[in-house]
Amino acid sequence: GENVEQHPSTLSVQEGDSAVIKCTYSDSASNYFPWYKQELGKRPQLIIDIRSNVGEKKDQRIAVTLNKTAKHFSLHITETQPEDSAVYFCAASPGGSNYKLTFGKGTLLTVNP
Amino acid sequence: DSGVTQTPKHLITATGQRVTLRCSPRSGDLSVYWYQQSLDQGLQFLIQYYNGEERAKGNILERFSAQQFPDLHSELNLSSLELGDSALYFCASSPRGVNEKLFFGSGTQLSVL
Repeated sequence: GENVEQHPSTLSVQEGDSAVIKCTYSDSASNYFPWYKQELGKRPQLIIDIRSNVGEKKDQRIAVTLNKTAKHFSLHITETQPEDSAVYFCAASPGGSNYKLTFGKGTLLTVNP
Repeated sequence: DSGVTQTPKHLITATGQRVTLRCSPRSGDLSVYWYQQSLDQGLQFLIQYYNGEERAKGNILERFSAQQFPDLHSELNLSSLELGDSALYFCASSPRGVNEKLFFGSGTQLSVL
């Protein structure tokens, strides 16, 4: 089955700096890669996703890049703000009729004011 | 509010007992997912249902079972509970069940004493 590795497990940055979180996946059939943000005590919420026919996607201060050959994808947050502090999860899915969204173990991002 | 309702919010029980967690998906969503979240394992996929039928299965223990009813609500049954089953159990829903945004409920915190 799919295995998703996520690094780093914790990340601390100063407000205004950029943050990068990286994930690798094992199943070459995976074609959907979402990122979820989970604030303390809250539910995970989708912040951005990318499909295998796209190499990069941006949404304001957030961007995701995908390298299918190397089987890795990354989340980039620019101009970080204290409210970006949360746990971020990457995930991968092979789609089709066997849809199983497999999550990485998460990255705790702390943005220091 | 995601529109996904989970009950109860908290559950405290003893080893060997059986509990039932309930989930009502967003209006119109046909697919329901169950995830287990623990500190060391992140978000573990348990099982997915689509319009009443099981679609995908993850690392769900034989002591656990689930079903989705004709009104699309779902129940996760956990039996012969062990201390290690203590975790936050999330339900999520989506419209079609393939490569799309998941809407998570607020979770059920299960404590097995």
